[in-house]
Amino acid sequence: GQSLEQPSEVTAVEGAIVQINCTYQTSGFYGLSWYQQHDGGAPTFLSYNALDGLEETGRFSSFLSRSDSYGYLLLQELQMKDSASYFCAVRVGRENTDKLIFGTGTRLQVFP
Amino acid sequence: DTGVSQDPRHKITKRGQNVTFRCDPISEHNRLYWYRQTLGQGPEFLTYFQNEAQLEKSRLLSDRFSAERPKGSFSTLEIQRTEQGDSAMYLCASSLQGILNYGYTFGSGTRLTVV
Repeated sequence: GQSLEQPSEVTAVEGAIVQINCTYQTSGFYGLSWYQQHDGGAPTFLSYNALDGLEETGRFSSFLSRSDSYGYLLLQELQMKDSASYFCAVRVGRENTDKLIFGTGTRLQVFP
Repeated sequence: DTGVSQDPRHKITKRGQNVTFRCDPISEHNRLYWYRQTLGQGPEFLTYFQNEAQLEKSRLLSDRFSAERPKGSFSTLEIQRTEQGDSAMYLCASSLQGILNYGYTFGSGTRLTVV
């Protein structure tokens, strides 16, 4: 089966940097995604890593180490609007099929 | 394009009744996914389609759940003989095969309450 682990909650102050870790155990791994979800809202796509290394998109960066089955999401220059739940999701499957399996989420609270 | 649309936004039903939800994906997306999310949890995979073909269905999904995408455009998810444990947010998402860096686009969901 598949399992993902991420911290349940993280707190930080505006302007700070926070890292949300994700470890996974899966078969047929293709890549790691991150999604943001505000309370009452739909998950929105942040990033996707298929290969080892760091991907940067504005204030957000995502890292993957396939050999360690580990990744993280790095949020810089935190803003109040970043308060949300963040989900890592592994893309798994077999030839010609794939799907995302989501973790249980990390609730980020940003304080002024 | 207005994104992924789901209807209805909310549904309250009595236990034992059947319910049907509709999802209209982004028009050029050929893949469509159904997920279920309960409070404090991540989205749980239910099933997905590539065009009109249902490629995979979760083994956790009972026979009371069925989904269709008859013309490769909109999709419906039906739950028969609803149970209180079916209460959840049902999310639909779409994507374009092979364009992984764009991720899934989710709809706002249908919140089901079984009383």
